[in-house]
Amino acid sequence: AQRVTQPEKLLSVFKGAPVELKCNYSYSGSPELFWYVQYSRQRLQLLLRHISRESIKGFTADLNKGETSFHLKKPFAQEEDSAMYYCALSGQGGGTSYGKLTFGQGTILTVHP
Amino acid sequence: DTGVSQNPRHKITKRGQNVTFRCDPISEHNRLYWYRQTLGQGPEFLTYFQNEAQLEKSRLLSDRFSAERPKGSFSTLEIQRTEQGDSAMYLCASSPDRGGFWETQYFGPGTRLLVL
Repeated sequence: AQRVTQPEKLLSVFKGAPVELKCNYSYSGSPELFWYVQYSRQRLQLLLRHISRESIKGFTADLNKGETSFHLKKPFAQEEDSAMYYCALSGQGGGTSYGKLTFGQGTILTVHP
Repeated sequence: DTGVSQNPRHKITKRGQNVTFRCDPISEHNRLYWYRQTLGQGPEFLTYFQNEAQLEKSRLLSDRFSAERPKGSFSTLEIQRTEQGDSAMYLCASSPDRGGFWETQYFGPGTRLLVL
């Protein structure tokens, strides 16, 4: 079974402060990890994914297989980062499980001016 | 192409009625997914289509739920004899098929269902 846990329902920081959104996962194989974001009144969209190894809008995420974590980090938060963030996992596939995502419960990030 | 579209955006129905939702994926995307999201939770996988073939269904998809993708383009999700527990946001996502497992999924705006 695969599971994603985001321990913080709410996270508040001030503009310019560092931010870290936590994500832990459970999966027996080698998963692909994603961070999706949903801004107010917008649809769910991909922020970044592990395999791309890229930084999007100043956010980075490192896959720690030992701790089974994929925390999202940004050194200097901006007000426009306020949104709902979901960590998601996709298994190795095989058979018919092509790319289905297992999501965490989400973390609401609020960046205060 | 403006992305994945879903209709209707909102649906209010009485318990026991049938409802049908439609999803139009991005035109060249072969893979189509349905998810359900209840208040305070992340989306949960319901079912997956590869072209017109429904290849996987979650245990969440009871016998009252049926999904189709008849020509490998748009998809419909029907809920028969709705129950109050069916109230949720129903999300559709599509992705290209480049032979890999982990293609990026593009989500629609969702259909919010309220069962009274």
